Amino acid sequence: GEDVEQSLFLSVREGDSSVINCTYTDSSSTYLYWYKQEPGAGLQLLTYIFSNMDMKQDQRLTVLLNKKDKHLSLRIADTQTGDSAIYFCAESPLYNFNKFYFGSGTKLNVKP
Amino acid sequence: SQTIHQWPATLVQPVGSPLSLECTVEGTSNPNLYWYRQAAGRGLQLLFYSVGIGQISSEVPQNLSASRPQDRQFILSSKKLLLSDSGFYLCAWSKSGANVLTFGAGSRLTVL
Repeated sequence: GEDVEQSLFLSVREGDSSVINCTYTDSSSTYLYWYKQEPGAGLQLLTYIFSNMDMKQDQRLTVLLNKKDKHLSLRIADTQTGDSAIYFCAESPLYNFNKFYFGSGTKLNVKP
Repeated sequence: SQTIHQWPATLVQPVGSPLSLECTVEGTSNPNLYWYRQAAGRGLQLLFYSVGIGQISSEVPQNLSASRPQDRQFILSSKKLLLSDSGFYLCAWSKSGANVLTFGAGSRLTVL
């Protein structure tokens, strides 16, 4: 399957911005996703972007895509303690829409 | 609106016992259905997916099997559980031909 890589941990202070990074290997047209998982719960879709876009903004969330480097980032502005969770990057190539490939998840710890 | 349910939420089973986890989706027809496993609270491993009744694709060889007896029902089973089967199992669905994956709340399995 496709390779999706993320750093494992990120710690920020409440009120700061968080930037969670992800790299992927698929060179074709693909959808890229950010999911949030709170302890003991399922994954919640936060946002997604198609690979022909550079940026998507939704309230406190900004997704940036560098297609050349195959690098995806999620920026959370004004991070709150309720943002503490595991964030998963995922991709689904257009040529195989049945498949979703996930990274290992980045655990975000927000300190008060 | 569409909803996804999976049960049981928590299960403790002895080694060698059988397993049945059930997942149902409401409010849609002919969904794609998925079983993922998350070990130690981290990365997601795709176990099975199904694009229709009786159609199951297995992603990894293992001690588990999946069945889809009805359009919106997906069952994960084992005849004899191993210690290594412990984990958090997530059911998910997507609309056929669409690229958004929606997860259930998960089932935590502990094999002792």
